[in-house]
Amino acid sequence: AQSVTQLGSHVSVSEGALVLLRCNYSSSVPPYLFWYVQYPNQGLQLLLKYTSAATLVKGINGFEAEFKKSETSFHLTKPSAHMSDAAEYFCAVSDDNNNDMRFGAGTRLTVKP
Amino acid sequence: EPEVTQTPSHQVTQMGQEVILRCVPISNHLYFYWYRQILGQKVEFLVSFYNNEISEKSEIFDDQFSVERPDGSNFTLKIRSTKLEDSAMYFCASRAQGVPDTQYFGPGTRLTVL
Repeated sequence: AQSVTQLGSHVSVSEGALVLLRCNYSSSVPPYLFWYVQYPNQGLQLLLKYTSAATLVKGINGFEAEFKKSETSFHLTKPSAHMSDAAEYFCAVSDDNNNDMRFGAGTRLTVKP
Repeated sequence: EPEVTQTPSHQVTQMGQEVILRCVPISNHLYFYWYRQILGQKVEFLVSFYNNEISEKSEIFDDQFSVERPDGSNFTLKIRSTKLEDSAMYFCASRAQGVPDTQYFGPGTRLTVL
């Protein structure tokens, strides 16, 4: 069974600082990995996805994530945080059938002025 | 840009009542999903649906739940006899043919069971 673990339920950074949200996965087959963002009272929006092509994936809003098989990680980064980045971020994993996407517990990002 | 829509945005019901949550997936998508998110918790997979049948379901999706694609555009989740613990945000998602492709999520329906 696949799963993801997000380290840190809450991350707080200053505006302009590096954002690093951690995600580790467990999968018995090559995984497909996703990061979604959820703004307050809204649905889930895809930030980026890894589908076995390039290990460094660039997404929307300046976010990127690197797939590291040796570390079973797929951490999300952004060089410089904006106030508008404050939201809940979910890492997710699915198998190649993409029938059963499993989400992490989420990390709430707070950006301080 | 096409999007997944869900109605209603908020449903309030009494315990024991039946509710139907409605979703209109993106028109050329073939795979459909329901997820739920209890307040403050993670998003949990409920069920996936393809070719007019359930592909996969989680342990949460018991006999109280059912899904249906009654016509060419709607995808519904029915909860036969709601319980207090069914209170959650329910998200519908859809994706196109082709693997792997992105699941696109609707805005959710907030279900409150009193």
